[in-house]
Amino acid sequence: GAVVSQHPSWVICKSGTSVKIECRSLDFQATTMFWYRQFPKQSLMLMATSNEGSKATYEQGVEKDKFLINHASLTLSTLTVTSAHPEDSSFYICSASDGALNTEAFFGQGTRLTVV
Amino acid sequence: RKEVEQDPGPFNVPEGATVAFNCTYSNSASQSFFWYRQDCRKEPKLLMSVYSSGNEDGRFTAQLNRASQYISLLIRDSKLSDSATYLCAVNGPMDTGRRALTFGSGTRLQVQP
Repeated sequence: GAVVSQHPSWVICKSGTSVKIECRSLDFQATTMFWYRQFPKQSLMLMATSNEGSKATYEQGVEKDKFLINHASLTLSTLTVTSAHPEDSSFYICSASDGALNTEAFFGQGTRLTVV
Repeated sequence: RKEVEQDPGPFNVPEGATVAFNCTYSNSASQSFFWYRQDCRKEPKLLMSVYSSGNEDGRFTAQLNRASQYISLLIRDSKLSDSATYLCAVNGPMDTGRRALTFGSGTRLQVQP
């Protein structure tokens, strides 16, 4: 299957700082990337959908000014958690699609964020 | 009502047992269906896609019932290594252009020796 690389795999940061997470598609062009968040014992919840070269579409309840998404190329999307707080501690996972409808997306390894 | 619902379990079964999970979805126009496996603190990994005709991959069988809006996963001859959380995922209707997956909350399986 296609390879999606997410970095870092884990990060600990202080409250009030910003953290950037990268998601790269290594062997295909990802016209669309998705960012999910998963709290312990809960399902993956879609945060936003980003299409290369355009603004991300955020799900209801997700603050776009807090979770900045950039998808400047067909192989890279970044999620920046700005002014992180302990309640932002979660497992963040990206997935990438080549843009064809109804195909499964390929997931990155996830980033475990802990805000202290 | 949640878009995708699963029994959270846990299902505790002995090695060699057959276990089945169901997942219901609310949008009758949904187009694609998948089962993912997620190990603790890891990303989900695609187990199999689910087709109307049903599909089988070794010990795993997946089926889709559009009339009742549910998908199922059957695991035969359970192994200890099957212990994980199984997530069903549904892709949105084509007319919405929504390609993001909507996940169920997962069913936890614990296979015991």
